[in-house]
Amino acid sequence: NAGVTQTPKFRVLKTGQSMTLLCAQDMNHEYMYWYRQDPGMGLRLIHYSVGEGTTAKGEVPDGYNVSRLKKQNFLLGLESAAPSQTSVYFCASARRGPDTGELFFGEGSRLTVL
Amino acid sequence: GESVGLHLPTLSVQEGDNSIINCAYSNSASDYFIWYKQESGKGPQFIIDIRSNMDKRQGQRVTVLLNKTVKHLSLQIAATQPGDSAVYFCAENTNAGKSTFGDGTTLTVKP
Repeated sequence: NAGVTQTPKFRVLKTGQSMTLLCAQDMNHEYMYWYRQDPGMGLRLIHYSVGEGTTAKGEVPDGYNVSRLKKQNFLLGLESAAPSQTSVYFCASARRGPDTGELFFGEGSRLTVL
Repeated sequence: GESVGLHLPTLSVQEGDNSIINCAYSNSASDYFIWYKQESGKGPQFIIDIRSNMDKRQGQRVTVLLNKTVKHLSLQIAATQPGDSAVYFCAENTNAGKSTFGDGTTLTVKP
């Protein structure tokens, strides 16, 4: 049982380049999330989805877009990468809302923007 | 190494001692709280949870205390072991579909 899988695990971009992070979960969870984690800080919510075909903005959505075309996948896109987007990105999923149970996290994707 | 009431970014304890990690939450409407453990290079993992209608919950070697009056949460780890070294986060949850995480406390266990 793989749980939550993120690809790629590492990526280096130049300013202005675009890329997509892929998150896949095999637990049939309804809710999925993208967080970013910066040194010495907690996790900040970028975007989330409460079901297939739906997305919503989190705390720090600017510069990112997301899509949830399939229930098991949640994609995070950077259209024009900036050095401020250098971070570790975590995807998470939950069976229903987070008030009903824990979030299951992937191993993280480390992004460096030069 | 105990810190009652204050959130500290780092905590260092001797192996075998008890650890107390504190967290202040902000939203009075939060009704479900979770403690996560994050080891180096990994994603956070669930440790223990508590609902707002409780003030204490115990697990294996861990206890979570909730004080809704002052919006404070604590995680107690009994007989701390080297494998407990990690960053610990509290998360507050509402039925709006989002979890909000605290800044985290780095626990270091000295042999």
